[in-house]
This record gives sequence, C-alpha cells and structure tokens, in this order.
Amino acid sequence: DAKTTQPTSMDCAEGRAANLPCNHSTISGNEYVYWYRQIHSQGPQYIIHGLKNNETNEMASLIITEDRKSSTLILPHATLRDTAVYYCIVSSINTNAGKSTFGDGTTLTVKP
Amino acid sequence: EAGVTQFPSHSVIEKGQTVTLRCDPISGHDNLYWYRRVMGKEIKFLLHFVKESKQDESGMPNNRFLAERTGGTYSTLKVQPAELEDSGVYFCASSQNRGGNSPLHFGNGTRLTVT
Repeated sequence: DAKTTQPTSMDCAEGRAANLPCNHSTISGNEYVYWYRQIHSQGPQYIIHGLKNNETNEMASLIITEDRKSSTLILPHATLRDTAVYYCIVSSINTNAGKSTFGDGTTLTVKP
Repeated sequence: EAGVTQFPSHSVIEKGQTVTLRCDPISGHDNLYWYRRVMGKEIKFLLHFVKESKQDESGMPNNRFLAERTGGTYSTLKVQPAELEDSGVYFCASSQNRGGNSPLHFGNGTRLTVT
C-alpha cells in the first residue's frame, strides 16, 4: 500500500472549515483513500473514503486531485468536538484493508 | 446497529500474569482485526480473522500472544505471560468485506498496563 504524508498539526477556528491535506504521491490505481480520526481515549472512527471522485457524507467532504496524488479532508463547520488526530490511509481493493499503516496523522485543534 | 465492543476497558496486571481481552464485532462482519498502540508509537496491525480462520497474523509480536475466534463471532486475545513491553492500548476492528472498499469500525480499545 502507498504511504501517506500529513502535516503534524493544524489549528482551526470554531465554525470555520477545517481543510486537512494528505499527500499520497505513490498511490496506485486500485487504492482507496481513507480518512479516520481518533478522539482522545476512543478508538479510531471512520470518516470517509474515495477512489477517484470527490465524496461527501454527513461528516465531511473528500477532495481527491485529478492525478490522485493528494487529497483534502474538509470539515465544513469545525466544532470543538472535532479536535482529534486525523489519519489519511490508502488501501488497495485487492489486499487486506486492515493492514494499512496509520502513521502519526495530523493533530487538529479546533479553537474557540 | 451496535458498534464494536471491547472488554475490559482497562486492565492492570503484574508481569508474568495472564490477561484475556475480548472483542465483539459488529454483527454480520466476517472480518475482525486486532491492533495495538504502545506508548508514543503508531497503531500497529496484529492479526486478521475471516470468520473463525486466521488470515494474517504477521503482526503478532511473539508466541506469548494467542488470538482466537471460535464460532466466528467474538474474538479473544490472550497474553501469557505478560511482559512490561506489552503495555499499551489494544484495539479491535471489524469490517464487512476484506478489500479496500470496506471501512474499518473500531472499538474503544482495552488499555493494558503491565507492572
């Protein structure tokens, strides 16, 4: 599975959009981009995933560049409860999704 | 639907003792995974079950760790005998399918402290 690169930390003002970038320049055509987050003392929580097209659900939007080498997770109206570590992971359709590497993620701090 | 549940949430044991962690996946999820995070490190894959069969146990650190999933429902992870370096948070996750288009659903973990 391709590796990902994320900034170590980011801040966001409450009520504003949080845009979390992820670089996955070695991604292959059959690899999905996943985002999870981990709020302190809880297990990782699935947010969203996509292959080529942009995706949106009740939690967030995922924007994948045309060359698929990077993506951005957008939390449209960040709240204090969105403070967490966000993980960007790539996972091949053909392999064990559970073996994907989590890495260190981005620590997002939403400030009042 | 009920999420992935893990028991206990915390466990403190002495070095040399045995501990058994339990994971109940989401009903109908054939795929079950165990992970752990030790202090300051990233979340690491331990093993993967499909129903009752071990598909991949390449992440298991050593033979002091034994995972089972009898009947293909809940799973247990036994550490015997526990060592200090086994301290950490053990997560379980389940998914409907094995491949990359199937999100993982995690439990809240068991925090294991070996003294």
